[in-house]
Amino acid sequence: EPEVTQTPSHQVTQMGQEVILRCVPISNHLYFYWYRQILGQKVEFLVSFYNNEISEKSEIFDDQFSVERPDGSNFTLKIRSTKLEDSAMYFCASSEMGLAAAYEQYFGPGTRLTVT
Amino acid sequence: GEDVEQSLFLSVREGDSSVINCTYTDSSSTYLYWYKQEPGAGLQLLTYIFSNMDMKQDQRLTVLLNKKDKHLSLRIADTQTGDSAIYFCAEIPHNNNDMRFGAGTRLTVKP
Repeated sequence: EPEVTQTPSHQVTQMGQEVILRCVPISNHLYFYWYRQILGQKVEFLVSFYNNEISEKSEIFDDQFSVERPDGSNFTLKIRSTKLEDSAMYFCASSEMGLAAAYEQYFGPGTRLTVT
Repeated sequence: GEDVEQSLFLSVREGDSSVINCTYTDSSSTYLYWYKQEPGAGLQLLTYIFSNMDMKQDQRLTVLLNKKDKHLSLRIADTQTGDSAIYFCAEIPHNNNDMRFGAGTRLTVKP
């Protein structure tokens, strides 16, 4: 069964450093998403991406964040200058169609980011 | 309210039914979802229901929707130890393209 993969599974970084979280969505999917889950809190939407541009973003997704699809398979989330409060589990997801079509989003296993 | 609300914990005995409740925010939400998260794993879509339905059954899972009260429930029949996980309720508000999650209900199934 096709699956979304994410690397690394755990990333430790120092405050102020840049991190790039990587995701490989399912190959025929067109919509890509990033979510985060701070420990013990709810899953929060960050951004959706379609046709090589951001289609929606939340207020969490400020100028420190960026997303990119550098090639035909990877989808990345970059945090330019990490803060302690960026420590969270980051989930990538992909779907064949956009959310409004209620197609299933497939989630990756997540990357745990720890900022020290 | 502005948040999707769920109770945080539920404990049942193996073989009993589990009912997980959720209150969502937007009466115009078109789609409502239940996701399951096992320890160390990602989110797995269990089921979803369109807002023009009031019930959906899928094997051991039954979803009930009360649009008037903005209340969604997930019933798991014959709960097994493998059902132990965190269950998230989620909605897509009308005219919006982000998915809002509840805080999750941790279901513990005792043998």
